[in-house]
Amino acid sequence: DADVTQTPRNRITKTGKRIMLECSQTKGHDRMYWYRQDPGLGLRLIYYSFDVKDINKGEISDGYSVSRQAQAKFSLSLESAIPNQTALYFCATSTGTGTYQPQHFGDGTRLSIL
Amino acid sequence: GQNIDQPTEMTATEGAIVQINCTYQTSGFNGLFWYQQHAGEAPTFLSYNVLDGLEEKGRFSSFLSRSKGYSYLLLKELQMKDSASYLCAVSYYTGGFKTIFGAGTRLFVKA
Repeated sequence: DADVTQTPRNRITKTGKRIMLECSQTKGHDRMYWYRQDPGLGLRLIYYSFDVKDINKGEISDGYSVSRQAQAKFSLSLESAIPNQTALYFCATSTGTGTYQPQHFGDGTRLSIL
Repeated sequence: GQNIDQPTEMTATEGAIVQINCTYQTSGFNGLFWYQQHAGEAPTFLSYNVLDGLEEKGRFSSFLSRSKGYSYLLLKELQMKDSASYLCAVSYYTGGFKTIFGAGTRLFVKA
């Protein structure tokens, strides 16, 4: 089983719909992240959480919200989806100790908004 | 602000050596990561540098010069499966540890 699991893997929906992307992890990591990836732009951070009670905006949080339901679960919501939110979304985790903190990524959710 | 630059694409031949460069401008530098990402898949961690110098791990090596804001990833004995994007990422501290990713370098390995 994957250490970082994202659901759904693919989603096609219409403009204006509310969408939730879910992420769960079995790595026991405190820190969780949501990124979107667009061609030519690389990974951009949407939100991150360093523990259950800590939620922080990333560089492109407008139009998104998150919920950290437990240490192992971090969900991303698009309240009213728009076409320019079409992208590949990744959830990632990392430990909260030490300076050596590589991130571990889920397999991604490909989201298309028509 | 924080910024990372990498070449967009590179092509190399199977069995050869290729060097992928990364330059960055950050304050509060804490370390530099390289990730590999095959098309449509998740990025996977390759290497980490926090001090100047070369870190070697099998066919892959990564170099860091903090004074120059420069790193490279060296891939030896290239294989077709090395065709992927290589992402440079910098960890920095501004009231908490954060990471910024470069746009990635797409490497094509040809026979």
